[in-house]
Amino acid sequence: EAQVTQNPRYLITVTGKKLTVTCSQNMNHEYMSWYRQDPGLGLRQIYYSMNVEVTDKGDVPEGYKVSRKEKRNFPLILESPSPNQTSLYFCASSRQGQGAPYEQYFGPGTRLTVT
Amino acid sequence: AQSVAQPEDQVNVAEGNPLTVKCTYSVSGNPYLFWYVQYPNRGLQFLLKYITGDNLVKGSYGFEAEFNKSQTSFHLKKPSALVSDSALYFCAVRVSGYSTLTFGKGTMLLVSP
Repeated sequence: EAQVTQNPRYLITVTGKKLTVTCSQNMNHEYMSWYRQDPGLGLRQIYYSMNVEVTDKGDVPEGYKVSRKEKRNFPLILESPSPNQTSLYFCASSRQGQGAPYEQYFGPGTRLTVT
Repeated sequence: AQSVAQPEDQVNVAEGNPLTVKCTYSVSGNPYLFWYVQYPNRGLQFLLKYITGDNLVKGSYGFEAEFNKSQTSFHLKKPSALVSDSALYFCAVRVSGYSTLTFGKGTMLLVSP
């Protein structure tokens, strides 16, 4: 089954304790992205990657890091989480092409609470 | 900078009635437009997209959307709403296959029996 998986689905942590949210896709997609969803703000892009070893900042990258060492994986790293990073996080992937923008497939989400 | 506006936080409609969820956009260049739906405790699911060509786009679950370049709009429609259509709907835009995807804030659709 074609899918994007995220782990963990739920996480409660404390301020300053480094954490990683994993994302993996089995569709051989070039493009991967992380979003955060907050009430009244919709989805905002954190980071994206157009292929292995190619990453770029989205609209709200502060406090986050990513890496793309393998095509299927795109982990999101919070080096020192703060309460304002409490949110619902989504990973997404898609094929990549200039003239044919493809729809994105989303993971089930990770609900993060930072106390 | 590109942006998307969904002017209604919530749309209420009775089952069997037609529904419209509004979306307007602002971009420099030609837009690629998308609609996604989010059911409770689920990720977003793709409904339909406009790339070029026919202004009326048909998608999943009986939904369709009309692209209007002069009004910079891409409203989502369905002729007959179902209770199971109740969900959060997002409009999104990008200007090329390589640009970022910008989402609106979402519209909650509530269909009453």
